[in-house]
Amino acid sequence: QVQLQESGPGLVKPSQTLSLTCTVSGASISSGGFYWSWIRQLPGQGLEWIGYIHYTGGTFYNPSLKSRLVMSVDTSRNRFSLKLTSVTAADTAVYYCARTVYSDHVRDFDYWGQGTLVTVSS
Amino acid sequence: DIPMTQSPSSLSASVGDRVTITCRASENVNTYLNWYQQKPGKAPKLLIYSASKLQTGVPSRFSGSGAATQFTLTISSLQPEDFATYYCQQTYTTLWTFGHGTKVEVK
Repeated sequence: QVQLQESGPGLVKPSQTLSLTCTVSGASISSGGFYWSWIRQLPGQGLEWIGYIHYTGGTFYNPSLKSRLVMSVDTSRNRFSLKLTSVTAADTAVYYCARTVYSDHVRDFDYWGQGTLVTVSS
Repeated sequence: DIPMTQSPSSLSASVGDRVTITCRASENVNTYLNWYQQKPGKAPKLLIYSASKLQTGVPSRFSGSGAATQFTLTISSLQPEDFATYYCQQTYTTLWTFGHGTKVEVK
């Protein structure tokens, strides 16, 4: 059974850096055919795809966040991470990590972490 | 990016009802369209991928149809555990986008 678990501070001060890690169990992050995504959900609102990373280090970042965003992967620990700099209250959200199927005909998020609430406040 | 429009934004239904949710894309997304179910405090769960394919383990009362710009999610006979919010998602363009959700509530 594939499981993902987000971890990181639940409170970040404005202008600082939000850092989250997603630890994967039940599957190897280095297995081909999968990418690893971050998605966020602003309070009471819909879902926004932040971007993905492949175990080889290839990434896609949402253009609206690209200038503040860095993703990385640690295959030895089977986990991947997100850093979002210069945060504001608008970055307050529940952050999810998800396994991402990416092929010619199928593209979806088939396994999700439980989500972690990050609040940006002084 | 491609805005996705869901309708209705909410609906009230009873157990046993047939429920249909519509998702429209502002431009052609082929069949790169997924449906997710989200319950309060939980992560979204993949129900339907590639417009009409049922994810493993999802009950057969859920079905999806459509192509290009118009899609539907149908629940053939609503069960108590189906009261939730449903999101569509297009994965055709480089930037994948979600609809704003349809909340299915108890009538």
